[in-house]
Order: sequence, then structure tokens, then C-alpha cells
Amino acid sequence: AQSVAQPEDQVNVAEGNPLTVKCTYSVSGNPYLFWYVQYPNRGLQFLLKYITGDNLVKGSYGFEAEFNKSQTSFHLKKPSALVSDSALYFCAVRDLYNQGGKLIFGQGTELSVKP
Amino acid sequence: NAGVTQTPKFQVLKTGQSMTLQCAQDMNHEYMSWYRQDPGMGLRLIHYSVGAGITDQGEVPNGYNVSRSTTEDFPLRLLSAAPSQTSVYFCASSYGQYSNQPQHFGDGTRLSIL
Repeated sequence: AQSVAQPEDQVNVAEGNPLTVKCTYSVSGNPYLFWYVQYPNRGLQFLLKYITGDNLVKGSYGFEAEFNKSQTSFHLKKPSALVSDSALYFCAVRDLYNQGGKLIFGQGTELSVKP
Repeated sequence: NAGVTQTPKFQVLKTGQSMTLQCAQDMNHEYMSWYRQDPGMGLRLIHYSVGAGITDQGEVPNGYNVSRSTTEDFPLRLLSAAPSQTSVYFCASSYGQYSNQPQHFGDGTRLSIL
């Protein structure tokens, strides 16, 4: 079965410091991987995706993610965190075999950036 | 572009009541889906549609019905509300099934069942 895991429920970072939100996946074949961010009382906003090609993917708001096939990881990173980055982050993989390509989500990681 | 629009944003129901959550998209997307979000569980697929007139069940379909009469609209019906259906519901859309394009999400409907 395909799955996504986010091992940290919460990540705390000081403003200006680099941040990493971890994600590991288990899929058959090549994965379509996504990161979404959710602000309070809002829907999920797309940040970036990995389909194929360069292992370092750049996305919105200065975020990037590193795809590592050998470690089956897709960690989200940002060189310098902002207080406004505080939100709930979801890693997801698209199921390429079932239910029209549903997204399989991790449980989410709450990012808190303190001034 | 409005993207994906969900109504209502908030709703409180009594056990046994029925209601319809509305979802509309203006991007001409073929694939539409409904997820529910519960704390610590991420989002889980309820029902999905790959085009007008075609719907199918997701992971947690019990207690919900859907229909897709047009490309734009994909309403979700709660037949007889139960407290276990208290959740945040999200509608999403994307180009085609099994696409590498991201899904676009509405802002959600926060539903409480008393």
C-alpha cells in the first residue's frame, strides 16, 4: 500500500533560522510528490511538486524540497524562516493506481516560527 | 478566477438531519474530489469524479452521496448526519485523473453534528 509519513507533529524554529519539515513516502514506481500549506480556516495551498528531473525543487514563498530516492524522502526546506510561515504543512503523494489518482496525505506538521 | 468555491463555510446540524455541501470550480477540471480532515489523520478521500456523470467511492464513503451533473459542480450530501461526521470538508479539483498537476482546494466547510 502507498503511504506518506510526517514524523514530526510540530516543528519550532526561530525567525531567520533555516527550517526543515520532514516527509517520507512508500509507493510503487516513480512518485508524484506534493507539499501543501494550510493557514487557519483556509484550504490547502499548493507549494511545490516533484514529478521527475532535478532532485531539488523550488516552489512558492521561498520554499524548496529535496527528493531523495534512496531514502524515500521529500523534505521541505527554507533557508530563512519567517513568522508568517507558521502554518500546518502537508506532504502528499498521488496514487497512480487507484481512485482516479487520489492524494495520499501525511498527518501534517505544525510549523511554529517565533520572533 | 474564483478557483474552487465551497458553501457554506460553517454549519451546525442535529443528529439525523440531512444537508448538501456545495462545491463549484471554474477551471474546467475533469477530476473533482471530496476529502474530510480530522485532527492527526491528514485528509481522507470520501468520493471522487473523473467527469460529468461519473462518480465513485473513496476511502470513507459511508453516509455520503455525490452526483456530478455538470463539469463545474460536485455537491456532497449527508444523508442522516451523525456525530462521527463532525469534520472539516474540502473539495478539490485537477486536470484529469492520474495527472501530475496539483489539486486545487476550496476553503472548506466546517461541520458540527450535535
